[in-house]
Amino acid sequence: GDSVTQMEGPVTLSEEAFLTINCTYTATGYPSLFWYVQYPGEGLQLLLKATKADDKGSNKGFEATYRKETTSFHLEKGSVQVSDSAVYFCALRGGSNYKLTFGKGTLLTVNP
Amino acid sequence: DSGVTQTPKHLITATGQRVTLRCSPRSGDLSVYWYQQSLDQGLQFLIQYYNGEERAKGNILERFSAQQFPDLHSELNLSSLELGDSALYFCASSTGQGRSYEQYFGPGTRLTVT
Repeated sequence: GDSVTQMEGPVTLSEEAFLTINCTYTATGYPSLFWYVQYPGEGLQLLLKATKADDKGSNKGFEATYRKETTSFHLEKGSVQVSDSAVYFCALRGGSNYKLTFGKGTLLTVNP
Repeated sequence: DSGVTQTPKHLITATGQRVTLRCSPRSGDLSVYWYQQSLDQGLQFLIQYYNGEERAKGNILERFSAQQFPDLHSELNLSSLELGDSALYFCASSTGQGRSYEQYFGPGTRLTVT
């Protein structure tokens, strides 16, 4: 079945540091890939998405590129802010299965 | 604000009881999804409805059931509750069913079973 593996946290960075959160997936066919963010005490918000190979999703300074050859969708941001502190989830949606399959989430803490 | 609303925000109940969680999708969205978020299992898909019909089932227990009403709101019913059912339950909605459609999540209902 479909599965998503993302790097275990927690990740702690200083403000303005570079962020990478690794995400790899296993799926049949051509899934769509997503990054969701969950701020403390809140629901999930869609951060960005990519629906086909080599697509780059971007939003709020975050980027991720759909790499079919390495089945990866790593999240990056060049300069993190304290307000980026949250849990980040990589997810896929593919084939005839319309559900989202999530990774376990990565807690990011950014210190001033 | 995603436009998806869920009530109640918090629910505390005892083992063996039954509860109903409610979800109103974004205006115009026909598809509703339920997810459970727990510390040990992470985020897991429970069930999906599209325009009133059940379309997909995930790891949903037989003690749990759901339905989507003609006005498109959905309810998740949890019965014979156990301590392990304590979790955050999210509802999400999307316009369509295709793999590229975004799912918008509600704020969740936190269920505590004592």
